Amino acid sequence: GENVEQHPSTLSVQEGDSAVIKCTYSDSASNYFPWYKQELGKRPQLIIDIRSNVGEKKDQRIAVTLNKTAKHFSLHITETQPEDSAVYFCAARENRGSTLGRLYFGRGTQLTVWP
Amino acid sequence: DAGVIQSPRHEVTEMGQEVTLRCKPISGHDYLFWYRQTMMRGLELLIYFNNNVPIDDSGMPEDRFSAKMPNASFSTLKIQPSEPRDSAVYFCASSLTSSSGQPNFGPGTRLTVL
Repeated sequence: GENVEQHPSTLSVQEGDSAVIKCTYSDSASNYFPWYKQELGKRPQLIIDIRSNVGEKKDQRIAVTLNKTAKHFSLHITETQPEDSAVYFCAARENRGSTLGRLYFGRGTQLTVWP
Repeated sequence: DAGVIQSPRHEVTEMGQEVTLRCKPISGHDYLFWYRQTMMRGLELLIYFNNNVPIDDSGMPEDRFSAKMPNASFSTLKIQPSEPRDSAVYFCASSLTSSSGQPNFGPGTRLTVL
């Protein structure tokens, strides 16, 4: 099955700085890569996603890049704010054709943004 | 839409007892997922259904765990007998094939087995 590695496990930045979280995956057939934000005691919530036929996607301060050849994808948060503090999870979905495949999650990155 | 609904939100039980977690997916969604989250193992997929049919249960840890989806609006995850190592947050999620298919998570059930 798919194996998703996520780094770093913890990340501390100053408010206004950028934060980058990186993930690698093992199955070259995986075709969908979402990122989730989970605040303490809350459910994971989708913040951005990218499909395998796209190299980059941006939504305001958040961007995701995908390198299919190297099998890695990254989350970029610019102009960080204290409310960005949370655990961020990357995931990769296996390709099962017409049926939705499993989502394999990384272990998470605890992002802390200091005011 | 109310989103995915889970009950109970918190469950404390003693080892050996049966535990039943319940989930109501978002109306119209054709996929339902059960995840477990722990500090040690992160977020793990236990089982998922498509149109009420189990597609992949390879994540179910052992025979003590079972899941059912008798209809499109209800699913249960049962642990019998429960053990302390089952303590975790259990999330139910649902998704729609015609969208990107990303799971919409419920609020979770925090299970503590003493």
